Amino acid sequence: DAEITQSPRHKITETGRQVTLACHQTWNHNNMFWYRQDLGHGLRLIHYSYGVQDTNKGEVSDGYSVSRSNTEDLPLTLESAASSQTSVYFCASSEFRDDSPLHFGNGTRLTVT
Amino acid sequence: GDSVTQMEGPVTLSEEAFLTINCTYTATGYPSLFWYVQYPGEGLQLLLKATKADDKGSNKGFEATYRKETTSFHLEKGSVQVSDSAVYFCALSLNTGFQKLVFGTGTRLLVSP
Repeated sequence: DAEITQSPRHKITETGRQVTLACHQTWNHNNMFWYRQDLGHGLRLIHYSYGVQDTNKGEVSDGYSVSRSNTEDLPLTLESAASSQTSVYFCASSEFRDDSPLHFGNGTRLTVT
Repeated sequence: GDSVTQMEGPVTLSEEAFLTINCTYTATGYPSLFWYVQYPGEGLQLLLKATKADDKGSNKGFEATYRKETTSFHLEKGSVQVSDSAVYFCALSLNTGFQKLVFGTGTRLLVSP
């Protein structure tokens, strides 16, 4: 069965360190997204990609970057981790179609100390 | 800008009670509307969707009707179960083909036996 996998599930890091969260999907979807989930804010879009070599900024992109070198993977990098980036991060993918559902990974809980 | 507003939770019900979770939206154009559900420790998964006015989405006993005149997409279930305890997110997709979803803040449902 196709799936979307995030790793690690939990990560603790220190302020100022670079951190990369992995996302791998076997749906063969062109669209991939990174969201963060915080209490009172729901899900907010960080970055997204509509295909290989395509990346776009979402509403909360400051301090984050992504790269898309193949269809399956969209790693999210925190260049210099800050305590404000403590959150749960979700990766998702979808077909390029308006009513296509998003398929989400199980999330990565990141704590920045 | 485009937005989704959900009722604040938690919503606390006894098993077999009737459920309504309110959702209203603001959008330019004619969005597709979705309800996603998040069970503890998991990512979001699509519950139901509607792509045009007066459409009714349904799944697992849940229903929601796309009401263009009131810009609403309220989620209902006639008889909830303990296993329905989760966080429910209303979302809209601007029909541009790019599947950028705008999420509400989520409503936690707690069902007791």
